[in-house]
Amino acid sequence: GDSVTQMEGPVTLSEEACLTINCTYTATGYPSLFWYVQYPGEGLQLLLKATKADDKGSNKGFEATYRKETTSFHLEKGSVQVSDSAVYFCALSAGTGNQFYFGTGTSLTVIP
Amino acid sequence: NAGVTQTPKFRVLKTGQSMTLLCAQDMNHEYMYWYRQDPGMGLRLIHYSVGEGTTAKGEVPDGYNVSRLKKQNFLLGLESAAPSQTSVYFCASRMGLVAEQYFGPGTRLTVT
Repeated sequence: GDSVTQMEGPVTLSEEACLTINCTYTATGYPSLFWYVQYPGEGLQLLLKATKADDKGSNKGFEATYRKETTSFHLEKGSVQVSDSAVYFCALSAGTGNQFYFGTGTSLTVIP
Repeated sequence: NAGVTQTPKFRVLKTGQSMTLLCAQDMNHEYMYWYRQDPGMGLRLIHYSVGEGTTAKGEVPDGYNVSRLKKQNFLLGLESAAPSQTSVYFCASRMGLVAEQYFGPGTRLTVT
């Protein structure tokens, strides 16, 4: 079945460090891929998305490229800030069936 | 345009009591979802709806019921609350099968 596997955390980085959170997926069709961010005490917010192979989603300095050959959608940021501290979820929508598949989340803490 | 709203934001119940959580969206979305989020468990799908008047079971439906009498509203009911239902509940909606989900701010429920 369809699924998403993402890097386990927690991840702790110093401000201005580079971030990569790995995400790989399994899907039978041509899924859309998403990264969500959850700040403490809040709901999930869409960070970026990509709907077809080789698409690059970007927002707020974060980027992820939809790579069909490696079934991956890794989240990257070149220089993290304290305000990026949150939990990040990779997600997949296969376009068939009615469900949305989330990874287990990766907690990021950025220290000054 | 309020997006997805949830009421109440917080609630404390005693074991055996009942309650209804309300989710409302003003984006004319067809699909609506109820999730629970527990530490270390990620998001788990309780029930979902693919349109007005329809509901379906998700991953963890036991102990919950839902109704979608109006397109904009999706209600989650607990008939006899148990301490295992202590959690944060999130509602989400989306337009179509390849679209992103939009989340509400969550309801924090404690069952004593």
